Amino acid sequence: KNEVEQSPQNLTAQEGEFITINCSYSVGISALHWLQQHPGGGIVSLFMLSSGKKKHGRLIATINIQEKHSSLHITASHPRDSAVYICAVLSMDSNYQLIWGAGTKLIIKP
Amino acid sequence: KAGVTQTPRYLIKTRGQQVTLSCSPISGHRSVSWYQQTPGQGLQFLFEYFSETQRNKGNFPGRFSGRQFSNSRSEMNVSTLELGDSALYLCASSLADGRVNEQFFGPGTRLTVL
Repeated sequence: KNEVEQSPQNLTAQEGEFITINCSYSVGISALHWLQQHPGGGIVSLFMLSSGKKKHGRLIATINIQEKHSSLHITASHPRDSAVYICAVLSMDSNYQLIWGAGTKLIIKP
Repeated sequence: KAGVTQTPRYLIKTRGQQVTLSCSPISGHRSVSWYQQTPGQGLQFLFEYFSETQRNKGNFPGRFSGRQFSNSRSEMNVSTLELGDSALYLCASSLADGRVNEQFFGPGTRLTVL
């Protein structure tokens, strides 16, 4: 079993829809990252959080430490949100290395 | 502040050759981490350098090595290239003044081994 599991693996939605991507982990963590990767490779850090909730524009990230679960929400989705969204945890069990989820490929259709 | 830069952006090599990739972190960042991304394996941690010392290492063979200079710039070297080394190589920098630091990624170097 992977230490970081994301769901869904692929998601296609219509412009304007509310999007939720989930991340569950099984290790002790000090922080969790949500990152975005567009075709071509560049990775952008969206959030780093260790508790509660963070909001940036149309993006919201939440984390529940007790349940070892985090969600990334996109409100009023737009075709430019199409990308791979990756959850990565900073693991205390692995000497603070980042452990990566497999990513969620999101396609927003106009 | 300029972001993380990686050179070259694209590289084509043949089996058996060796390659050196370069990463310049954000000014003031002392930690540089390297990752390999392949379609089958996703993102895999290679190693992390902090103040010119390797602080963490992933599960890669000895053909993969790196170093960090006094200005925090880092290089990664792969010797005796294999077809399976074809991947996107990403580096990320962070302040690393503690253990919990946000990482900022470069655009990556896409290596193709023929």
